[in-house]
Amino acid sequence: NAGVTQTPKFQVLKTGQSMTLQCAQDMNHEYMSWYRQDPGMGLRLIHYSVGAGITDQGEVPNGYNVSRSTTEDFPLRLLSAAPSQTSVYFCASSPESGNTIYFGEGSWLTVV
Amino acid sequence: QKEVEQDPGPLSVPEGAIVSLNCTYSNSAFQYFMWYRQYSRKGPELLMYTYSSGNKEDGRFTAQVDKSSKYISLFIRDSQPSDSATYLCAMKAAGGSYIPTFGRGTSLIVHP
Repeated sequence: NAGVTQTPKFQVLKTGQSMTLQCAQDMNHEYMSWYRQDPGMGLRLIHYSVGAGITDQGEVPNGYNVSRSTTEDFPLRLLSAAPSQTSVYFCASSPESGNTIYFGEGSWLTVV
Repeated sequence: QKEVEQDPGPLSVPEGAIVSLNCTYSNSAFQYFMWYRQYSRKGPELLMYTYSSGNKEDGRFTAQVDKSSKYISLFIRDSQPSDSATYLCAMKAAGGSYIPTFGRGTSLIVHP
């Protein structure tokens, strides 16, 4: 009963470092997405994918990169971490209808 | 004006109270309406999902949609301390993009 699994749960990075947040889902959902959540800002969409090999930008894509080589996995890469990227990140997946979204437990990232 | 407006609260009520959480929206194309509950340091979880106008009931929770007023509500009867969380509304148009629009969330505190 895994659903959407994110790793790591907590991470501290130094400015300029790169890292990858991993996301995997076992529900065979076509749609996957990454959000960041900041106090007072709500959920903001970073990148999304409507299927393997297809990705697109969301509201706040700068500084992030994604790829979707399989239906199950949707990693988020921080290319050169900045303190402004300190946030909690949620991966989500959705069946084709897109009317219900299932979120992971979150990844807390601090950039110092 | 944001497409979806939601009062951030916090809303503090005594145990046993009836709680009303609300969202207003401006896009008349929205047809699918969702409520998510998010406990502290957890990912949002889908609570209820309704299509078009009307009411939907699930245990102590009732979701109500008034499309003519562009207003949706979530009612919680006999509120419990375990209901203390942030409640996010989300909505989506039929067809087209699967990406929903989220409200910023209302923080609810139910005190014993």
